[in-house]
Amino acid sequence: QVQLVQSGAEVRKPGASVKVSCKASGYSFITYGITWVRQAPGQGLEWMGWISTYNGNTKYAQKFQGRVSMTADTSTSTAYLELRSLRSDDTAIYYCARDDVAEDDWGLGTLVTVSS
Amino acid sequence: DIQMTQSPSSLSASVGDRVTITCRASQSINNYLNWYQQKPGKAPKLLIYVASSLHSGVPSRFSGSGSGTDFTLTISSLQPEDFATYYCQQSFNIPRTFGQGTKVEIK
Repeated sequence: QVQLVQSGAEVRKPGASVKVSCKASGYSFITYGITWVRQAPGQGLEWMGWISTYNGNTKYAQKFQGRVSMTADTSTSTAYLELRSLRSDDTAIYYCARDDVAEDDWGLGTLVTVSS
Repeated sequence: DIQMTQSPSSLSASVGDRVTITCRASQSINNYLNWYQQKPGKAPKLLIYVASSLHSGVPSRFSGSGSGTDFTLTISSLQPEDFATYYCQQSFNIPRTFGQGTKVEIK
């Protein structure tokens, strides 16, 4: 079955960077893109961007342009999200999801806490 | 960016009730509308894609309709496991924006 296994919780200070991983299994990794969505405490879902695992093309939400990088390693079927210049309002759960017509399978999420 | 507005923001209902949640897009998105369910502490789950297609394994009491700017998610007979927050999402263009969510609570 499809599984997306994300890396563990992270704590960072303001201004630092964080890199979250998402290891896929149970399907052909390069057939579907990966979407990243975040959710701040008690808030709704926020779409951050998408990466084609086939050719590495990316599409980012304007809000994160210049601060975010999404990459994919086809040799390990792992997608990565890097967010730089972290602020306290980046504290959130970060989800990866397999992208088909919609986000049809999700990882369990990675909590990133930004605090001094 | 396309704005997605859900109503109501929350509702109280009883087991067995018919529940309807609406989602309005700020511009036409054809039928590129998805619905997700999220329970506390859990990742979202896809229920409906392209407005009315039921995702694999989702009970048939869930249905979706609409096109253009106005969409509806209906739960025909609310079950105890359906108490959750529901989000719509447009996949017409980038960024794929979500509605603010509708929390379905026990009456």
